[in-house]
Amino acid sequence: ETGVTQTPRHLVMGMTNKKSLKCEQHLGHNAMYWYKQSAKKPLELMFVYNFKEQTENNSVPSRFSPECPNSSHLFLHLHTLQPEDSALYLCASSQDSRVQETQYFGPGTRLLVL
Amino acid sequence: EDKVVQSPLSLVVHEGDTVTLNCSYEVTNFRSLLWYKQEKKAPTFLFMLTSSGIEKKSGRLSSILDKKELFSILNITATQTGDSAVYLCAVTSRQLTFGSGTQLTVLP
Repeated sequence: ETGVTQTPRHLVMGMTNKKSLKCEQHLGHNAMYWYKQSAKKPLELMFVYNFKEQTENNSVPSRFSPECPNSSHLFLHLHTLQPEDSALYLCASSQDSRVQETQYFGPGTRLLVL
Repeated sequence: EDKVVQSPLSLVVHEGDTVTLNCSYEVTNFRSLLWYKQEKKAPTFLFMLTSSGIEKKSGRLSSILDKKELFSILNITATQTGDSAVYLCAVTSRQLTFGSGTQLTVLP
């Protein structure tokens, strides 16, 4: 399989649930990103990992917890979310976040928090 | 704070029309400008522009960057219904900043 994959594609969860989003890239990249896309808002950068180290946390609430065990995998652990966290969560990868060039996006996980 | 502004916010045209989408930016340490097409899923990459005045083309799509006036345009000629999407502009500096997109609807 090539490119950037994300699972699950759709997720419905209650405010007390704990769930995790998974992202995997098969492009040999070293940087991975989490974005949030809410309706009628620009894409918001959440986290950046470069060579497995977190280099950016864009003032994201602690109910979102990222994990990057290796350069190919990125997780977003979710707990005690709020309804306003409902959005499309996109994962992306690039060669090296310090270079900040083209990012390749996964298909996203559409999250609904009830 | 880096800022990327796209206009118009939405556009409705008929098949065969030509459209021009605009992207202006204010960023520190500009590196490149990227155009993406987003349908009902993740953005797909269209163009990366780094130099002023050099047009990039891919089929009916073309784009050019003006680093003096700090803007870029994306042109689509002979539009088709399959061109209907949100077109996103993003600028790389210290990080990647996206505009809010232009929603293009092409009617048959």
